Amino acid sequence: DAMVIQNPRYQVTQFGKPVTLSCSQTLNHNVMYWYQQKSSQAPKLLFHYYDKDFNNEADTPDNFQSRRPNTSFCFLDIRSPGLGDAAMYLCATSRDRATDTQYFGPGTRLTVL
Amino acid sequence: QKEVEQNSGPLSVPEGAIASLNCTYSDRGSQSFFWYRQYSGKSPELIMFIYSNGDKEDGRFTAQLNKASQYVSLLIRDSQPSDSATYLCAVRSGSGNTGKLIFGQGTTLQVKP
Repeated sequence: DAMVIQNPRYQVTQFGKPVTLSCSQTLNHNVMYWYQQKSSQAPKLLFHYYDKDFNNEADTPDNFQSRRPNTSFCFLDIRSPGLGDAAMYLCATSRDRATDTQYFGPGTRLTVL
Repeated sequence: QKEVEQNSGPLSVPEGAIASLNCTYSDRGSQSFFWYRQYSGKSPELIMFIYSNGDKEDGRFTAQLNKASQYVSLLIRDSQPSDSATYLCAVRSGSGNTGKLIFGQGTTLQVKP
């Protein structure tokens, strides 16, 4: 049974056209993370929610926003995608922050035309 | 200096051999260490985690941690072609309480039949 679900699995958008990626979890975990991973690179943390508390990474561009309307769902909004935003976007969850392991969803592959 | 360093490879081993993957980290206060496996086009999958110095074994996998030397390694015994993937080392930062994982770039392992 899927525990961390991401939709869609593949997303194609046009340069500058807003796009929203979604993540849901059935684990009732407190923490949800969004990572960006470009080809042959390490996953890069964009931000995370600890419950309703939003934590942005210092180097995450303002173009990236996130919403967590409830425990199960978290969204990544890219307001004006550029060609450099084409990547795999990974959602991960963990029960707690400091001591628990992170489990990843299948990812959404974003293509920007 | 990168925070988490791995040799990108590819590391090529024959089927049945032992594959040895290494990782060094710069934050001496790091407490938790993780190995993820990532198949091409897929999301990272947790293989093992280790918190204490020494060895931790799980089936064909052994994680080794040496905090004094700031390195962590993963041994894969009896390597199989299905083990061919990129292996990501991740280190939980020792500062703050964010649970942030710092990933290495990954080592690509090729197991040849």
